Amino acid sequence: ETGVTQTPRHLVMGMTNKKSLKCEQHLGHNAMYWYKQSAKKPLELMFVYNFKEQTENNSVPSRFSPECPNSSHLFLHLHTLQPEDSALYLCASSQVQDLRNIQYFGAGTRLSVL
Amino acid sequence: GDSVTQMEGPVTLSEEAFLTINCTYTATGYPSLFWYVQYPGEGLQLLLKATKADDKGSNKGFEATYRKETTSFHLEKGSVQVSDSAVYFCALSVSGTYKYIFGTGTRLKVLA
Repeated sequence: ETGVTQTPRHLVMGMTNKKSLKCEQHLGHNAMYWYKQSAKKPLELMFVYNFKEQTENNSVPSRFSPECPNSSHLFLHLHTLQPEDSALYLCASSQVQDLRNIQYFGAGTRLSVL
Repeated sequence: GDSVTQMEGPVTLSEEAFLTINCTYTATGYPSLFWYVQYPGEGLQLLLKATKADDKGSNKGFEATYRKETTSFHLEKGSVQVSDSAVYFCALSVSGTYKYIFGTGTRLKVLA
């Protein structure tokens, strides 16, 4: 148990579906992150939320829509995805004031887009 | 820009063999360096870290030393076990930010 919980663990969706990924952290952190992990590519940072405010959006297509209602919860809303969006989506959290900047990861959601 | 380069895998070793996974980086400022491990079906777990030059991070028999002169942070273990089979990621934390740069990962397979 890392203190960061992601649901669902697996998701299969069609290109016209709308679904959401959920992340919850129990570590009292104030920053949360979405990453995309595709085969044979480095982890790609998608979004960063710092004290519930989005501070980074790495040119992510608008079919991915993040939401951070409070510092413990982070969502990734998905709509009209493409097959190339199939990947492992990882959530992480950290304490911004911690100069070591250790990020703690959830187990991820394995997404398959048909 | 900042970057991390890891040796390509997969690395296949027999149990009790010595392990080295190379990692080099380019960065402005003074980054922190990390090794994360990802076991099958799981997320990334912090394995060890080093926050300044000459620091040695260690955990579960793994070690890595922050070498500023060679901009390296190689991961070593003296005697690997089958349970060490996983993907290992080298990462740096961009100085002054909370942003990470990850390497592509190195898959390690240890045979009994």
